Amino acid sequence: GAGVSQTPSNKVTEKGKYVELRCDPISGHTALYWYRQSLGQGPEFLIYFQGTGAADDSGLPNDRFFAVRPEGSVSTLKIQRTERGDSAVYLCASSLRRGSAIDFGPGTRLTVL
Amino acid sequence: AQSVTQLDSQVPVFEEAPVELRCNYSSSVSVYLFWYVQYPNQGLQLLLKYLSGSTLVKSINGFEAEFNKSQTSFHLRKPSVHISDTAEYFCAVTTGTASKLTFGTGTRLQVTL
Repeated sequence: GAGVSQTPSNKVTEKGKYVELRCDPISGHTALYWYRQSLGQGPEFLIYFQGTGAADDSGLPNDRFFAVRPEGSVSTLKIQRTERGDSAVYLCASSLRRGSAIDFGPGTRLTVL
Repeated sequence: AQSVTQLDSQVPVFEEAPVELRCNYSSSVSVYLFWYVQYPNQGLQLLLKYLSGSTLVKSINGFEAEFNKSQTSFHLRKPSVHISDTAEYFCAVTTGTASKLTFGTGTRLQVTL
C-alpha cells in the first residue's frame, strides 16, 4: 500500500519568508510525527499528533514553528520568518497507534537562502 | 530523558567481510530499540526492532542486533556484507510511555570491493 508521502520534495525559500510543508500519513494511522534532520545528524523530534491534537510539541525549537492536523489525517508544518538555520530535511512519520513501529516519509528538503 | 550514542560516524568494510555497528543508549526506564537504514536518496526504513522477548532480533536481509541491558547496548551485526548494504544506519530508542524516537547521529557503512 501507499506509504507516507510529503510535498514538496524540495523547497527553496528566502530568509524571512513563510513556508508550509505537507504530510499525508498512511491511511488509518492515528499517530503522526514530524522530525528534522540536519546535515550529518540523526533525525530530531519536533512534534507528535495523536488524532487531531498535538500530544507532544516539546521538540518545536521556537514559536516560529507550528503544525496542525485538523482532520486527523493530513498534517501541515508551518514555519514563519524562516532563517538560514532552518535549512534541513523535514521528515514526517506515522504509526498505527502510539508505540507501534513508525513509518517515515521521504522528507522535504528545505533550503533557506 | 533518553539518549543514543553511535560511536562510529563511518565504517568502511570490504564486501563479504563481517561488520558491527555500535549503539549504546541511556535511559532510566525500560526501552524499545530500533535500527533504521537510509539508503542514498531514500527515506528512513525500519531494519529491525527490539520490543520485548528474545534479546536477539533479526532482519530479513541478514542483519541482527542483540539487546544487552547490562551494557546498555544494541549493536548491529552482519556476518557478510554486500555492496548494496552501503547506507546510513541510525539507532533509535523510545520508552514504553513515550511517543517519540530519539536517534543517534548515524553510522555510514561504506562497502567496497
